[in-house]
Amino acid sequence: GAVVSQHPSRVICKSGTSVKIECRSLDFQATTMFWYRQFPKKSLMLMATSNEGSKATYEQGVEKDKFLINHASLTLSTLTVTSAHPEDSSFYICSAARSQGNQPQHFGDGTRLSIL
Amino acid sequence: SQQGEEDPQALSIQEGENATMNCSYKTSINNLQWYRQNSGRGLVHLILIRSNEREKHSGRLRVTLDTSKKSSSLLITASRAADTASYFCATAGGGGNKLTFGTGTQLKVEL
Repeated sequence: GAVVSQHPSRVICKSGTSVKIECRSLDFQATTMFWYRQFPKKSLMLMATSNEGSKATYEQGVEKDKFLINHASLTLSTLTVTSAHPEDSSFYICSAARSQGNQPQHFGDGTRLSIL
Repeated sequence: SQQGEEDPQALSIQEGENATMNCSYKTSINNLQWYRQNSGRGLVHLILIRSNEREKHSGRLRVTLDTSKKSSSLLITASRAADTASYFCATAGGGGNKLTFGTGTQLKVEL
């Protein structure tokens, strides 16, 4: 079964709305989680690394004030797309690994965000 | 971070045939991983191969790694229609779990 749960799976909302996406590790504690964005038929682009108890590390070109990340517990990271606009429409995916080192990532099922 | 390249971008084969996908990357790595993604879903981990390994098998999957050429291949033998999906390689370097994904191969297996 799934070890990382992502919610909601789909969001459709009006321009200017802020949208929160949750990513939970179900049976392990994750000090680090990752947030990706994926455009249709394209690969995953890492947006940021979510660190439990400290600030997220954002990749170059990703606006930290636009994409707010909170990792308040060892099993939950949230991504909030603030004042979303149509160009923010995309597929957002989170992942987490059980531990550091040579470990695979476990991915959530993704969130399809559509801004009208 | 720069993405790796995968080829082919798209591959269409008949059920029962083998499918080979290739991945090239640019930086030194700790490990290379292959993932599968069904349309509109998250990624599923297939195989992780460490930088000191050259080949790894899992069921119908065979992965090779050539660190001198900075390349890897994924072979799916005796393909099935259910193997239709996008396949991505991803590299991990440094001390953490941060992944850099390749461009992906869209595989279609026809009956």
